[in-house]
Amino acid sequence: QSVLTQPPSASGTPGQRVTISCSGSNSNIGSKHVSWYQQFPGTAPKLLIYRVDRRPSGVPDRFSGSKSGTSASLAISGLQSEDEADYYCAAWDDGLNGGVFGGGTQLTVL
Amino acid sequence: EVHLLESGGGLVQPGGSLRLSCAASGFTFSDHGVNWVRQAPGKGLEWVSGIGGDSGYITYYADSVKGRFTISRDNSKNTLYLQMSSLRAEDTAVYYCARDIDWLSFDSWGQGTVVTVSS
Repeated sequence: QSVLTQPPSASGTPGQRVTISCSGSNSNIGSKHVSWYQQFPGTAPKLLIYRVDRRPSGVPDRFSGSKSGTSASLAISGLQSEDEADYYCAAWDDGLNGGVFGGGTQLTVL
Repeated sequence: EVHLLESGGGLVQPGGSLRLSCAASGFTFSDHGVNWVRQAPGKGLEWVSGIGGDSGYITYYADSVKGRFTISRDNSKNTLYLQMSSLRAEDTAVYYCARDIDWLSFDSWGQGTVVTVSS
């Protein structure tokens, strides 16, 4: 069981807006910044969002992040077939004094 | 261009030891914290350990590896290490090194090195 809870799967059609949730607690999401990663099979993860809603250079503005209380969300607008990948949320946890990842969400573009 | 290259993975028996290395280039290594993240076959990402930059080299460990793994860095060689001992089957994974720009925000990753713990 991961400390951060994500739905195992999500799906959408091209052009649609999809949201992936990440639920935590006061010791992680509730008090810390959240990051989001995209991973394709057999490759290293890629940072999509950091500090809740900031995008590294090169990440399209179709990807956005938000946080409310102890939950965070990743939104992908204008869904494209190449967005089909696994997505992970991550945050520092003060109680564990370590980092935690969500279990990951497999996004399917129908 | 930032580049991270892991090495040292392989097959090891349960109870054995292994040392992973991560050679960094393309940035001022001492300015950044660096971490190890692993991914067991068919599973999700798991943060393993992290070490601060030039400010005291503070280290952090996941509970699952505390007391068995030791993270260290040599800024003169631009290299990160992970000394792993008392290895267990559940340590089998691809091990990635990653540069951080904020807490759990890793903007650059290596290609990974495979560690298999099996008799």
